[in-house]
Amino acid sequence: LAKTTQPISMDSYEGQEVNITCSHNNIATNDYITWYQQFPSQGPRFIIQGYKTKVTNEVASLFIPADRKSSTLSLPRVSLSDTAVYYCLVGGDNQGGKLIFGQGTELSVKP
Amino acid sequence: DVKVTQSSRYLVKRTGEKVFLECVQDMDHENMFWYRQDPGLGLRLIYFSYDVKMKEKGDIPEGYSVSREKKERFSLILESASTNQTSMYLCASSLSDFAYEQYFGPGTRLTVT
Repeated sequence: LAKTTQPISMDSYEGQEVNITCSHNNIATNDYITWYQQFPSQGPRFIIQGYKTKVTNEVASLFIPADRKSSTLSLPRVSLSDTAVYYCLVGGDNQGGKLIFGQGTELSVKP
Repeated sequence: DVKVTQSSRYLVKRTGEKVFLECVQDMDHENMFWYRQDPGLGLRLIYFSYDVKMKEKGDIPEGYSVSREKKERFSLILESASTNQTSMYLCASSLSDFAYEQYFGPGTRLTVT
């Protein structure tokens, strides 16, 4: 299963765009890339998932280059409420979707 | 909305006690998972189950067992609790066709003294 590497922490200001990059050099052909958000004292929450190129939803965008060895989560115009830990996951199959959570990136948004 | 509930938010147990952590999901999901979360280590998968009475070991199964007698309920068992099992325990569930989107419960903070 592919391991992921992402920055431990990032700082930003309200209204800025935040890009968090995740490295996953050993990603397998059938692996998906999934991002989760976790607030203190809560379980993680699914944000976005992709396989290749670009995926966008109402919360974020996910950019995946052709070699799929990395991915970038983009949060447009962050607010204070986006302060959380963001996890990049790679993996999953039709037998339970075994995923590996890395250490996550602690994003701090300042006013 | 999918709801995943866990039996306790906070639990304090003594070393050597048998501990049961219960998780229930209400969306008829096939897959259920148990993770533990520790500072600096992120979430680590303990066990998962893709069907009733089926279970698979995750990355750190030692010292734990699980039970899934009904589709909606997945239990984590610490046969003899130890202080190094003090942690936040998170349960999750997912649909079989969308295994990558997991729905998490609020977590149980277990302290073993």
